[in-house]
Amino acid sequence: GESVGLHLPTLSVQEGDNSIINCAYSNSASDYFIWYKQESGKGPQFIIDIRSNMDKRQGQRVTVLLNKTVKHLSLQIAATQPGDSAVYFCAENFWSGGGADGLTFGKGTHLIIQP
Amino acid sequence: ETGVTQTPRHLVMGMTNKKSLKCEQHLGHNAMYWYKQSAKKPLELMFVYNFKEQTENNSVPSRFSPECPNSSHLFLHLHTLQPEDSALYLCASSQDRGGYEQYFGPGTRLTVT
Repeated sequence: GESVGLHLPTLSVQEGDNSIINCAYSNSASDYFIWYKQESGKGPQFIIDIRSNMDKRQGQRVTVLLNKTVKHLSLQIAATQPGDSAVYFCAENFWSGGGADGLTFGKGTHLIIQP
Repeated sequence: ETGVTQTPRHLVMGMTNKKSLKCEQHLGHNAMYWYKQSAKKPLELMFVYNFKEQTENNSVPSRFSPECPNSSHLFLHLHTLQPEDSALYLCASSQDRGGYEQYFGPGTRLTVT
């Protein structure tokens, strides 16, 4: 089965509001997490990443929170804009100690921005 | 996105055809990856190469054959595919193996008829 999954397939928010996209993972050994954004007809685009020794990391308008106790990852987007409409994927990697090289992805959440 | 290029962007092939997908990265990375993205499944890792050596093969059928002649180029050779192989095939690269951001190309949309 999947080790990474998303709670909601579609999230609709008003333009200007904050968005929160959630992700659950099952591999407690995962030590690297990453969020991607994929627009129609394009490949996934890096948004932000976080390592397991942190619980919060901020970027430009985005924040990733990691709760290792409940194996939960979230992406917060501040003041969402029409250009934020896309499918968002979380992914995990267990690398330390000789784990996997590739990323394990969740199914994705489609973020829709309402005008 | 321009750091990783893929050709062709679209490909339609019959089940008896042989074709190849090409990926090139201009980022000086050491690791390259093939992923498959189907409509109803998460992105699935297929192959990983690090310094031209294959480090992972995720139980991919032999009708998919990867080739990595150097750290900048990655190919996926296709033969006798099935209709269920129709998907978006994404190439990615990263600085090194595991634990690093992967940069994706735009993908090749493959349709097997």
